[in-house]
Amino acid sequence: DAGVTQSPTHLIKTRGQQVTLRCSPKSGHDTVSWYQQALGQGPQFIFQYYEEEERQRGNFPDRFSGHQFPNYSSELNVNALLLGDSALYLCASSFKAVRDFYEQYFGPGTRLTVT
Amino acid sequence: QKEVEQNSGPLSVPEGAIASLNCTYSDRVSQSFFWYRQYSGKSPELIMSIYSNGDKEDGRFTAQLNKASQYVSLLIRDSQPSDSATYLCAVIRGGADGLTFGKGTHLIIQP
Repeated sequence: DAGVTQSPTHLIKTRGQQVTLRCSPKSGHDTVSWYQQALGQGPQFIFQYYEEEERQRGNFPDRFSGHQFPNYSSELNVNALLLGDSALYLCASSFKAVRDFYEQYFGPGTRLTVT
Repeated sequence: QKEVEQNSGPLSVPEGAIASLNCTYSDRVSQSFFWYRQYSGKSPELIMSIYSNGDKEDGRFTAQLNKASQYVSLLIRDSQPSDSATYLCAVIRGGADGLTFGKGTHLIIQP
């Protein structure tokens, strides 16, 4: 059973640049959520995609945008990178149609360093 | 503002003892509650989910939920050194929402 996959594993970017992170959900899942985890903190919700639309968004600026493809995979784009965007970016997948099964499973993450 | 509070620790427990981790949440609309384990440098791993008041047991783990007190706990019986990790409490209102996490409790099991 294929789990959640993310690419790349690590990334180093310069302030002002743009970055794209990718995620493939667990087999059978149709919903993808993105989180940002700073060192020593719990993950912070960025947004969630279902049926190729952004369904819910956390407290993040519109420099953070995303996309979901027909095969349920997703991308997270961050424009005009700031030093404070350095973090572990986590993708989580879930299956929306089953009531009460709001369990989200995380991928290995992408470590983004902005210099 | 939805908040989830956890004692950051570190919580030190001898091997073989029971580790007790606690979490409180502020949003009364929260429906589902989760415990994730996160090893250093790794991503969170779901270990328990609970939706109704009471206890839920899975192997050495027991999750306890009290919605009236807005309190969730995780008990780990027969603690092993491999249980040493950060434990994250997370809550969610519904399927279309994102998880709200606490900062995590750092658990150390002493051999």
